[in-house]
Amino acid sequence: KQEVTQIPAALSVPEGENLVLNCSFTDSAIYNLQWFRQDPGKGLTSLLLIQSSQREQTSGRLNASLDKSSGRSTLYIAASQPGDSATYLCAVRPRSNDYKLSFGAGTTVTVRA
Amino acid sequence: DAGVIQSPRHEVTEMGQEVTLRCKPISGHNSLFWYRQTMMRGLELLIYFNNNVPIDDSGMPEDRFSAKMPNASFSTLKIQPSEPRDSAVYFCASNSRGETFFGQGTRLTVV
Repeated sequence: KQEVTQIPAALSVPEGENLVLNCSFTDSAIYNLQWFRQDPGKGLTSLLLIQSSQREQTSGRLNASLDKSSGRSTLYIAASQPGDSATYLCAVRPRSNDYKLSFGAGTTVTVRA
Repeated sequence: DAGVIQSPRHEVTEMGQEVTLRCKPISGHNSLFWYRQTMMRGLELLIYFNNNVPIDDSGMPEDRFSAKMPNASFSTLKIQPSEPRDSAVYFCASNSRGETFFGQGTRLTVV
């Protein structure tokens, strides 16, 4: 059974600092990995999707890397802003014909102004 | 596309009443998921459909929970009878061979 872990559970940084969020998974046979953001009381917003054949994906200040062999993904957020404060979750999908996602518990980020 | 649409956004009901949550997936998406989120347990997958057919309902907690997908553009999650421990945020999500997109959720409170 796939287990997804996100450490740390919470992170507080001053504005302008770069954020590094970690996600690890036990079964390296994944189809893709997706990073989400969740604001309090809201749904999950998709940030980045990395296919198993890719090493990284970028969108604006966000960059996600994937190392399948070691079962790790890292989400980097450059020059953090107070608006980046949210919970960030990673989720892995096992196979192309299996759409179930295994989620980590999330990292709650606070960016202090 | 307006994204995954859920209704109602909030529902307060009395214990024992029937509750029906509704979801409209993104057009063209062939997989639909119902999740439940609580502080204690995080995100739990309840059931998912592929091409309107239930594929995995192992996460449905009890027989009081049922889900249907009569067509590609509509799904319901029903709880009958509801209990206070069912209070949670229920999310619907859809996927088509790529990213999974979530709705804004229904916050259910059973008193």
